[in-house]
Amino acid sequence: DAKTTQPPSMDCAEGRAANLPCNHSTISGNEYVYWYRQIHSQGPQYIIHGLKNNETNEMASLIITEDRKSSTLILPHATLRDTAVYYCIVRVDTGRRALTFGSGTRLQVQP
Amino acid sequence: TAGITQAPTSQILAAGRSMTLRCTQDMRHNAMYWYRQDLGLGLRLIHYSNTAGTTGKGEVPDGYSVSRANTDDFPLTLASAVPSQTSVYFCASSPELGRSTGELFFGEGSRLTVL
Repeated sequence: DAKTTQPPSMDCAEGRAANLPCNHSTISGNEYVYWYRQIHSQGPQYIIHGLKNNETNEMASLIITEDRKSSTLILPHATLRDTAVYYCIVRVDTGRRALTFGSGTRLQVQP
Repeated sequence: TAGITQAPTSQILAAGRSMTLRCTQDMRHNAMYWYRQDLGLGLRLIHYSNTAGTTGKGEVPDGYSVSRANTDDFPLTLASAVPSQTSVYFCASSPELGRSTGELFFGEGSRLTVL
């Protein structure tokens, strides 16, 4: 699986959009980009994933660059409850392979 | 829906003792996983199981064993605990290929302290 690079920490004001970047310059054609988050000491939670097209769901939007070497997770209106560690993971979507977690980005939403 | 249930939620264990962390899922997922998470680090895969009756080693399998007698249960055993196994342990599952979004579903974790 391709390696990802994320900033260790970010701050965001409550109510503003949080844009979390991820670099995956060695991504191959059949690898998906996944985003998970971990709130405090809870188990990680799936947010969104995509291959090449931008994706949106009720939680977030995922913007993948045309060359697929980087992506951005967007939380459109961050709340205090969005304070968490966000993990960007690249993986072939086999449905049975484990995810490899890096150290992620710690997002602190400020009131 | 319960999803994934882990037990115990927290345990203090004397070094040298054995311990089994339990994990049960009610989603009929074929694949299950055990991760550990240490302070300031990401999650590291210990063992996994693609389907009932099969298991495989992850990134940090030493000192741990698993079994997968049925689809629902995936216990993790520490035969002789050592202090370096102090960690938070997360169990996860995922659906089979063909019905998968690639999403892993995680339990709430078991915090183990080995003294």
